[in-house]
Amino acid sequence: GAVVSQHPSWVICKSGTSVKIECRSLDFQATTMFWYRQFPKQSLMLMATSNEGSKATYEQGVEKDKFLINHASLTLSTLTVTSAHPEDSSFYICSARATSGRGDEQFFGPGTRLTVL
Amino acid sequence: QKEVEQNSGPLSVPEGAIASLNCTYSDRGSQSFFWYRQYSGKSPELIMSIYSNGDKEDGRFTAQLNKASQYVSLLIRDSQPSDSATYLCAIPLGGGYQKVTFGTGTKLQVIP
Repeated sequence: GAVVSQHPSWVICKSGTSVKIECRSLDFQATTMFWYRQFPKQSLMLMATSNEGSKATYEQGVEKDKFLINHASLTLSTLTVTSAHPEDSSFYICSARATSGRGDEQFFGPGTRLTVL
Repeated sequence: QKEVEQNSGPLSVPEGAIASLNCTYSDRGSQSFFWYRQYSGKSPELIMSIYSNGDKEDGRFTAQLNKASQYVSLLIRDSQPSDSATYLCAIPLGGGYQKVTFGTGTKLQVIP
C-alpha cells in the first residue's frame, strides 16, 4: 500500500503553546488528506478534510481557528493546534486518499500523540 | 440508525477458529467498502477493500458484501493471537469519496 508519514510521532508541550504536525504522502500525490483525532478507547473522529490548494472543510464542532490546516502541496498537509490546552491531548492521525486502478483508498499515517501539560 | 454500525465487542475466539466481524450501513448509494485493523496505540491499517457483491479473499481474510441487505463482513480464518486488534469498517457515504465514515470498531480477542 501507499506510505504516509507523520512528524513528530509524539510531542509534549506546555499549555498555551502551539504545535504543528506534518503529514506527508511519500510515494504518491494526495489531493485529499484527512485529519482525525482519537481519544483513548474511543473511535476515530474526523476533524477536517484537507484539499490541496483550497481551504479545509471542518466537521461540526471542530474549531477552525484552533486547528489550522494547510495543504500547500500534493504531498504535505499540516495541522497546527493553536494555544493548546490539556483537553487537546489526544492521538492525532492523518490519512491520504490514493487513487489506483482499484479505486480510491485511504492510507493512514502512524499518528502523533500530543500531550499538553 | 447510525450511518455505519458495528458491534463493539469484544469478540473472543480461540486460536485457529474463524472470526466473523459484521458491519451494516445506511446509505444504499455506497460503492466502496473497507476494513481496517487497528492495534492498540497505533493508527489504522488497511487490510481489505471490496467494491462488488460477493466474496473477496486475500490470504486468511475474506470480505463479504451484500448491498441489498446493506452489510459487509470480514472473516478471519485460522485466527492467530496476533490478529487481536480492533477492526474498523469504513464506508464513503453518498457515493463519492470525499468523506469516509468509520464504524466504532469491533475489538477482537484471539485466545491462545
